[in-house]
Amino acid sequence: DTAVSQTPKYLVTQMGNDKSIKCEQNLGHDTMYWYKQDSKKFLKIMFSYNNKELIINETVPNRFSPKSPDKAHLNLHINSLELGDSAVYFCASSPGLAAAYEQYFGPGTRLTVT
Amino acid sequence: EDKVVQSPLSLVVHEGDTVTLNCSYEVTNFRSLLWYKQEKKAPTFLFMLTSSGIEKKSGRLSSILDKKELSSILNITATQTGDSAIYLCAVRGAGNMLTFGGGTRLMVKP
Repeated sequence: DTAVSQTPKYLVTQMGNDKSIKCEQNLGHDTMYWYKQDSKKFLKIMFSYNNKELIINETVPNRFSPKSPDKAHLNLHINSLELGDSAVYFCASSPGLAAAYEQYFGPGTRLTVT
Repeated sequence: EDKVVQSPLSLVVHEGDTVTLNCSYEVTNFRSLLWYKQEKKAPTFLFMLTSSGIEKKSGRLSSILDKKELSSILNITATQTGDSAIYLCAVRGAGNMLTFGGGTRLMVKP
């Protein structure tokens, strides 16, 4: 059973397009996250979402928007894709926001913008 | 801005060697430090450290936190080829966000 799943695994698209990446967790966790990992392997937090409270990393462009239809899902929508958006995007979840919780990562979605 | 620096950037050893990976941090309102192992895909959790001087151990891996020095080390003894991976250090500060370091790429040769 996959704990945190993402679709698609690979996404190739052209500049200017709008795309979405889906994330689902079956762990019953209250908090979900999106991370971006660039070519140098730096993992950077983009968003955390807990009980309808969204915490945004201020460096994330507003072309990126998370959408949570329910507690088990946090999708990432990207408008007007740019070349620099090419990266691997990881979804993660944790039982809550407390410091005692580790985060469980999904398998990643490799986005390539041409 | 919170900052996490890992060293070395990469490391090549032979099976059986012992390695020490370093992580140093600058973070507002430190809450915890986590180590992850990333092979081909998702990072997998190794340890969470919150208290200074208490070693956490899992098999051949161990880790310890030094809050005075704002650092942590991850030790791997008797390395195996399966230990080859990127090891990521992350720190949770104010706001509960995780800030990751750039990782140490470990290659263990037979």
